[in-house]
Amino acid sequence: NAGVTQTPKFQVLKTGQSMTLQCAQDMNHNSMYWYRQDPGMGLRLIYYSASEGTTDKGEVPNGYNVSRLNKREFSLRLESAAPSQTSVYFCASRELAGAYNEQFFGPGTRLTVL
Amino acid sequence: GENVEQHPSTLSVQEGDSAVIKCTYSDSASNYFPWYKQELGKRPQLIIDIRSNVGEKKDQRIAVTLNKTAKHFSLHITETQPEDSAVYFCAASPGWAAGNKLTFGGGTRVLVKP
Repeated sequence: NAGVTQTPKFQVLKTGQSMTLQCAQDMNHNSMYWYRQDPGMGLRLIYYSASEGTTDKGEVPNGYNVSRLNKREFSLRLESAAPSQTSVYFCASRELAGAYNEQFFGPGTRLTVL
Repeated sequence: GENVEQHPSTLSVQEGDSAVIKCTYSDSASNYFPWYKQELGKRPQLIIDIRSNVGEKKDQRIAVTLNKTAKHFSLHITETQPEDSAVYFCAASPGWAAGNKLTFGGGTRVLVKP
């Protein structure tokens, strides 16, 4: 099993450009998440999807949109990138049934906005 | 929503000494408390977790304790080794009723000096 995969691994954008970060998981998990991690900082939740067909805002949703394409895939879109969105983006997934389930992270996408 | 505070933000220890990281949480409904380790440039990975009906859990050199009454939990690393150098995150989860989300602490950078 590949676990949680993300594409691309690295991306450089100019201010105002748009892009979509892709995430997929093969563990049949119901819940998926997008986090950002700024240098030397913790993990901040951008958006999440507790189950297929639902999405909700996290702590820092401004400037982002998400799509839960199906149970496996959860994408994050930046419509008009800003330098403040320079960060490492992690996707994660977790089973919904039961309360004590491990959350698995993808390898991350390192995004630089010039 | 849930709020998790983590201390200290940085911790430097001599190889062979113990390291202790403490976290407090605010939501009494939280029932699952994982700890993640993030090495430089890598994704966070689960190292140990504890459920609300358990007071202590141990796995080789790492242990976690939970005090539900005081709403705090701690990570203990004994006989530290250079490979324990990393950033450690605590987290708390109120379960599916809160969107199955983990709320993370701000992280502790641990440096083990040889």
